[in-house]
Amino acid sequence: GAVVSQHPSWVICKSGTSVKIECRSLDFQATTMFWYRQFPKQSLMLMATSNEGSKATYEQGVEKDKFLINHASLTLSTLTVTSAHPEDSSFYICSAPGQTQETQYFGPGTRLLVL
Amino acid sequence: DAKTTQPPSMDCAEGRAANLPCNHSTISGNEYVYWYRQIHSQGPQYIIHGLKNNETNEMASLIITEDRKSSTLILPHATLRDTAVYYCIVRGGYALNFGKGTSLLVTP
Repeated sequence: GAVVSQHPSWVICKSGTSVKIECRSLDFQATTMFWYRQFPKQSLMLMATSNEGSKATYEQGVEKDKFLINHASLTLSTLTVTSAHPEDSSFYICSAPGQTQETQYFGPGTRLLVL
Repeated sequence: DAKTTQPPSMDCAEGRAANLPCNHSTISGNEYVYWYRQIHSQGPQYIIHGLKNNETNEMASLIITEDRKSSTLILPHATLRDTAVYYCIVRGGYALNFGKGTSLLVTP
């Protein structure tokens, strides 16, 4: 099946710094990718839809100036958490639709800890 | 997208069939039923999906009632590695909206 990778798999940073997370589709192209966030013992929450060549679409309540999304190519989307604070500590997961658009393939996730 | 209701947790003995129910009484005609699972600290994994016919693949079977208001995911011979949170998602649009899912514990 299609493979989606994320880098880094985990990151620890100081409060106030910015962190970039990459999401790559390894063997297929994705004009759209999705970013989710998951807090401990909770379900995945959709944050935004990343669109290649155009602006991302953010879900209600998600600050677009804090979570910057860039879909630089057909295989790469990046999420930058700007001026991270401890409450941003979470598990960030990306996904991309497969070629048939019927299924989505998820990355392994990036665990962010802000101290 | 229609809302789904799943039991919060279930247990299943290893080697037995695991039957995970999902209620989606407000599903509309063009919405598919999807099942994903998430093993601890990993990204979700696609299992199966269907519209109105029952479906089977190498991982599981999906039984959808005739009125489409509920479905059941069947893992025919559960193994310890099937311990995970299972999400039933009704999808009409592009993105997936995850509910709380069912935490399945497969015991030896």
